[in-house]
Amino acid sequence: DSGVTQTPKHLITATGQRVTLRCSPRSGDLSVYWYQQSLDQGLQFLIQYYNGEERAKGNILERFSAQQFPDLHSELNLSSLELGDSALYFCASSVRLAGAAKGYNEQFFGPGTRLTVL
Amino acid sequence: GIQVEQSPPDLILQEGANSTLRCNFSDSVNNLQWFHQNPWGQLINLFYIPSGTKQNGRLSATTVATERYSLLYISSSQTTDSGVYFCAVIGGRDDKIIFGKGTRLHILP
Repeated sequence: DSGVTQTPKHLITATGQRVTLRCSPRSGDLSVYWYQQSLDQGLQFLIQYYNGEERAKGNILERFSAQQFPDLHSELNLSSLELGDSALYFCASSVRLAGAAKGYNEQFFGPGTRLTVL
Repeated sequence: GIQVEQSPPDLILQEGANSTLRCNFSDSVNNLQWFHQNPWGQLINLFYIPSGTKQNGRLSATTVATERYSLLYISSSQTTDSGVYFCAVIGGRDDKIIFGKGTRLHILP
């Protein structure tokens, strides 16, 4: 158990709908990262938050958005869902901001949310 | 951006065999991690190893940052070692985290 929790574990929805995925980082971790894993694209970094602020963006679609709350949990919002959005969505956390002078900290992954869009 | 290549893409071995998985990266890195994704999809941390050598039981890893590669060694393979092994790096000119495509390992009993 990594200490990172994600809910829900599974989500089945229809095209055009909107869903929210939730992540709670390990106790003490300030950075939260979101990833998408699909069969054709592999594991892709979406976005990173540090202590409530967006710090890095990857291949995140405009239909997707995220935020990190004062209690450090994070939510990933996916809207206008398409069939191609079906994937495993992971959240990870680390202690410090990536890019700090001493180097990056180890990331720990949650169990993921499996999203199926029908 | 930084490119990460893993080899081999697939590996089938008999239980008890040893294996070496390789990760090449195209630019200097500040972070390199190895993960194991088990058949249930869970991503398990193996090593945080931007440079040097580490060992954990039957697994060990070496990163030669100056030559831009990392190796993961698995000795005396067990069926529970099956799954996909990913290398992930942060570095280069931006802070994006890049995963390799993984090595799919299948250990036969």
